[in-house]
Amino acid sequence: KNQVEQSPQSLIILEGKNCTLQCNYTVSPFSNLRWYKQDTGRGPVSLTIMTFSENTKSNGRYTATLDADTKQSSLHITASQLSDSASYICVVRDGGATNKLIFGTGTLLAVQP
Amino acid sequence: GAGVSQSPSNKVTEKGKDVELRCDPISGHTALYWYRQSLGQGLEFLIYFQGNSAPDKSGLPSDRFSAERTGGSVSTLTIQRTQQEDSAVYLCASGQGNLFGGYTFGSGTRLTVV
Repeated sequence: KNQVEQSPQSLIILEGKNCTLQCNYTVSPFSNLRWYKQDTGRGPVSLTIMTFSENTKSNGRYTATLDADTKQSSLHITASQLSDSASYICVVRDGGATNKLIFGTGTLLAVQP
Repeated sequence: GAGVSQSPSNKVTEKGKDVELRCDPISGHTALYWYRQSLGQGLEFLIYFQGNSAPDKSGLPSDRFSAERTGGSVSTLTIQRTQQEDSAVYLCASGQGNLFGGYTFGSGTRLTVV
């Protein structure tokens, strides 16, 4: 079982609509959590980083939330644009000795006109 | 350099041949990761370097895969006797390795085994 699970696997929405992507993790100890956006054919780019004590963080139309008690995070996209079409990947940093990044399998978002 | 550079950007090879993929991380970045992404799949962890040592190589799928990093900088991922299932985009990421440090990804090497 993957330590970082994302849902839905894929999502299609109309331009201008809002959407929320989910990330559940079991990584322990937990250090921080990042949401990345990966455009087709490109490497992932960081959108937000959240630590244990942070509940909400915004980056433009992107708002990430974190509930460290339930080990859940969400990424909310407001007023979606065609350029938001991409894969969104949740990445959790292992707070243990290896300090390793653990990637979710991503949510593929398609924004249609 | 300004970003993480990977080469080649595309590689087509015949089944059974060996290939070598290169990653030039951002100068000063001590941590380096290799991932691969098969068509329509998520990112699959391969190996993690901290400096020249690899504290976690648990993701290497078989003994045909190996990686090294010299001088705490350039890393090479070698795949011996390539198979068709090795076809994927191989991504490299580097970071400062500290607690809150971000990671920067290269654009990847698209490997096609025919």
